[in-house]
Amino acid sequence: QVQLVQSGAEVKKPGSAVKVSCKASGGTFSSYTINWVRQAPGQGLEWMGRIIPMLDVANYAQKFQGRVTITADKSTSTAYMELISLRFEDTALYYCARGLAPSTYWFDPWGQGTLVTVSS
Amino acid sequence: QSALTQPRSVSGSPGQSVTISCTGSSSDVGGYNYVSWYQQHPGKVPKLMIYDVNQRPSGVPDRFSGSKSGNTASLTISGLQAEDEADYYCCSYAGSFTFYVFGSGTKVTVL
Repeated sequence: QVQLVQSGAEVKKPGSAVKVSCKASGGTFSSYTINWVRQAPGQGLEWMGRIIPMLDVANYAQKFQGRVTITADKSTSTAYMELISLRFEDTALYYCARGLAPSTYWFDPWGQGTLVTVSS
Repeated sequence: QSALTQPRSVSGSPGQSVTISCTGSSSDVGGYNYVSWYQQHPGKVPKLMIYDVNQRPSGVPDRFSGSKSGNTASLTISGLQAEDEADYYCCSYAGSFTFYVFGSGTKVTVL
């Protein structure tokens, strides 16, 4: 049973950066894609980007290009999402979610979510 | 890329059927058979309910079904049950530039 466990909640100041981790267990990390999806309070889901660890290739939603970096450490089966130049509107729950490489088009399972609060 | 359009809410009585629409364009829903649906109960993590338009993952009840016509995908819940009350989101692959777009979300209420 694949499980994704994310790092804990963060409080950050505007203009700073946050790095969230997502550790996979119970499967073969190199066969996955790890996607990052965020959900602002009371709002819907928004895809931010993904990494394919077997290829070490990351793709990003146009909205986040230049502000987000997704990386993966195959030795620890952990993916990371770093978001820089934080704004108040980046306050959200950030989820990682698995797909299967090279190409499946769904997300399952999801991590438990990491709340990032941007506050001065 | 704008979110896919879903009705804000739908409702039905126990045992009835409800259908949630998800309207996009030829660049996403209409262009690929890669629509998925997620159920999210309040305060919980999204759960995959349908993938590749009409495929059900193991463990998802068969009262959940998906379909697509043109630029609109649909999720139908037959034999509505109290535990189906949740938010539902569609998601479509949108090509190798945009990648994925989610729907705006629909709240299903069981009367």
